[in-house]
Amino acid sequence: QKEVEQNSGPLSVPEGAIASLNCTYSDRGSQSFFWYRQYSGKSPELIMFIYSNGDKEDGRFTAQLNKASQYVSLLIRDSQPSDSATYLCAVLTGNQFYFGTGTSLTVIP
Amino acid sequence: DTEVTQTPKHLVMGMTNKKSLKCEQHMGHRAMYWYKQKAKKPPELMFVYSYEKLSINESVPSRFSPECPNSSLLNLHLHALQPEDSALYLCASAYDGTVNTEAFFGQGTRLTVV
Repeated sequence: QKEVEQNSGPLSVPEGAIASLNCTYSDRGSQSFFWYRQYSGKSPELIMFIYSNGDKEDGRFTAQLNKASQYVSLLIRDSQPSDSATYLCAVLTGNQFYFGTGTSLTVIP
Repeated sequence: DTEVTQTPKHLVMGMTNKKSLKCEQHMGHRAMYWYKQKAKKPPELMFVYSYEKLSINESVPSRFSPECPNSSLLNLHLHALQPEDSALYLCASAYDGTVNTEAFFGQGTRLTVV
């Protein structure tokens, strides 16, 4: 059983704050890790992917990976109301992507 | 171009109908996926094609039949569906589904079975 766990939330942060989203995975053989943003009724949109330990930054988003702890996180700086969505963590193991249940984020103006 | 195009965007079909969903990408990706997503749930994997060959079938009922005519195109043929099959059907593609590969989703087909 390949498990990807996320805190379902909801997570609420004020506008301009940092939102921190967390994900753990069970399979040590997992190779790459993805964060998708999904608005209600829409398809998932890739925000970032990371495959090496450490941090990866892209604009207001930073992904952090710790393979020893089997933990991946997403930080959103200067959160905006338009960031309000469900954030899905996905893990690539073999040639399959396994998804967490998603974390619902609300950014309060 | 990081686009995965799915058609149609919406589909309503009766339980005796036969219809097909189409997915197309021109990024040179060799792994293509079908996912099913119900409201407030994560996507569930249905099928994986790798280099145009079906590599994974996640115990999906035979009323769903995938087809990969070429490396850019993926179809999902639907026949005798049930109302509980109503969902958002998502296609995704990745370079080859191995390490260091991005994966992109299409906009999905919202399917309603009546």
